Formats: sequence, C-alpha cells, structure tokens
Amino acid sequence: DTEVTQTPKHLVMGMTNKKSLKCEQHMGHRAMYWYKQKAKKPPELMFVYSYEKLSINESVPSRFSPECPNSSLLNLHLHALQPEDSALYLCASSPWEAVNQPQHFGDGTRLSIL
Amino acid sequence: GENVEQHPSTLSVQEGDSAVIKCTYSDSASNYFPWYKQELGKRPQLIIDIRSNVGEKKDQRIAVTLNKTAKHFSLHITETQPEDSAVYFCAASEYGNKLVFGAGTILRVKS
Repeated sequence: DTEVTQTPKHLVMGMTNKKSLKCEQHMGHRAMYWYKQKAKKPPELMFVYSYEKLSINESVPSRFSPECPNSSLLNLHLHALQPEDSALYLCASSPWEAVNQPQHFGDGTRLSIL
Repeated sequence: GENVEQHPSTLSVQEGDSAVIKCTYSDSASNYFPWYKQELGKRPQLIIDIRSNVGEKKDQRIAVTLNKTAKHFSLHITETQPEDSAVYFCAASEYGNKLVFGAGTILRVKS
C-alpha cells in the first residue's frame, strides 16, 4: 500500500485544456516533490516544496504550475501542454528537505496530451 | 551538477543466482545513495539506501556497498527470484535532497 496518493491515475487532455494533478500524504512529511518520468527513463525532478514553500524549480516551463495548499497536499496545475509533456508524473514525499531523507513515491498520474 | 552512471543497462540471471548492479557518481559532496525498484506500470519503490558514513548495508537478500574514494556504489541481490524482475534505479543526493538517478538496469530473472 502506497502512503502517497495521487489522483487521477490517468488523464487525457487536449493542448488547450487546463487540468490539475493532486498528491496527498498523511505521514507528516514536510517535503514534497514532483517528478516527470518518460517511458524507459529515470524520474527527473521538477519541483521541491519544503514546509509548503517552493524551494527548487528545475527550470520547468511555466505551463506547469505547482501549488502546496498545506503540508499534506501538493498540486500540479497544467495549462497549454505540448504532446512531449506526455509522461508519468510522480509525486514523492520525505520527512524534510535534507540530504539523506528517504523519498517515497506515489503511483503516479499517467498523462497523455492529444 | 551531479552525474550518475549505471551499469549494466540489462541483466539476465538464472533464478537462484546473484545479481550485481554498479553505479558511479561525480560529485564528491553527495552523501546519500538510495536504490529504487520499479515494476512495469508501478511506482519506484525504495528498497535500500546507504549514507556516506557507512560502507555496507544489508537487508535480507539485498545489500549495498559504497566506496567513497572511488565514488561508486553497488547493489547486490542474492538468491534471485522471478519477482525480483524489474527496473532498478540508483540515485545520488545533491543539495536540497535533490535525487539524481542513473539510467536504470532492467533485471530479468529466468526460472
């Protein structure tokens, strides 16, 4: 059983749509992460939130907009995506944002852009 | 920034044999090295990790070794079983707990 819950599991959207991905954890973790994973590739970090504040943005295009409403929730707002943005989007959490804190992943949202 | 290389890209072993996957990293400041197992269509699952103040760590059939001088670390799986078949990713931790992953190793355990 995963302790990081992501919804929806699958999402198909057009390039002009606006949608949001959601992530929730109830482990009391204070750091949360968004990763993008293309097929047969490793996860690539997009954003890191620490104590509900954005601490790392890996030069992600502005069509991806993260939000952390509280310590348990992490959203990723999507707008005007491109076909190359089709991928598995993974959320992870760790006790806090420090080197050597184990990160635990959710099951991901598989996103397809038409 | 950190760069992690992982070998081999694919590994086939007979059930019951051992499997070894090796990673090298470039940034001597990295000090946390987790290993993830990802089955097809599933999430990466943390299976073992090691910190730089430790040279080896074991958990049942899985062990990880770290050589900080040479900047490499390895995953060892003994008595492999078909359910060990998956993609394995090594990673090294940079600033802010940023994980940089290796390219992955597809492990196939033949029964």
